[in-house]
Amino acid sequence: QKEVEQNSGPLSVPEGAIASLNCTYSDRGSQSFFWYRQYSGKSPELIMSIYSNGDKEDGRFTAQLNKASQYVSLLIRDSQPSDSATYLCAVHRTGANSKLTFGKGITLSVRP
Amino acid sequence: GAGVSQSPRYKVAKRGQDVALRCDPISGHVSLFWYQQALGQGPEFLTYFQNEAQLDKSGLPSDRFFAERPEGSVSTLKIQRTQQEDSAVYLCASSSGGREGRVGVPYEQYFGPGTRLTVT
Repeated sequence: QKEVEQNSGPLSVPEGAIASLNCTYSDRGSQSFFWYRQYSGKSPELIMSIYSNGDKEDGRFTAQLNKASQYVSLLIRDSQPSDSATYLCAVHRTGANSKLTFGKGITLSVRP
Repeated sequence: GAGVSQSPRYKVAKRGQDVALRCDPISGHVSLFWYQQALGQGPEFLTYFQNEAQLDKSGLPSDRFFAERPEGSVSTLKIQRTQQEDSAVYLCASSSGGREGRVGVPYEQYFGPGTRLTVT
């Protein structure tokens, strides 16, 4: 089992729809969770961080964390073509070294 | 303010050559990380510095890879005798977090633009 898994994708949604991106992790010691957006040919850009169970909203983005289920998700409301990118889920385990463990990423395509 | 910068942005090396990749982190950031990203994959951890101390190098794939951060700011990742399997994007990230074991301390990492290494 991979440490961080993201559903395989790609994911295609129409403009204005809600895009739901999911991620599961295997290490119960994980404490901090991040979503990065990566445009083709560019480096990862941090868009959301979440540390406690529940929802965290920032503009059109909502991160959801359920530590009991070892599950973190990202919802993008009112999806725009500019949201088309690869979204990377990353997990950090406090107490270990400070590295992030990334999922493979899921590619989102928003159709105009 | 300035973000993380990396140079060169692109590097083509012949197999067997040595290369050096530079990272200049966000000013004041204590922690610096190197990751390797293959096409279609997420970044994979290589090594971590807290100030000038290399606290974890468990992700370095072989002893051909060496990293340093002598003054706790700029870092260099050196790859000796490059092989084709070293072709990848090398990403540097920095973070203001520097203390281990504190639950809730945000370890938000900010990435540079990366260096795309192609070994021919």
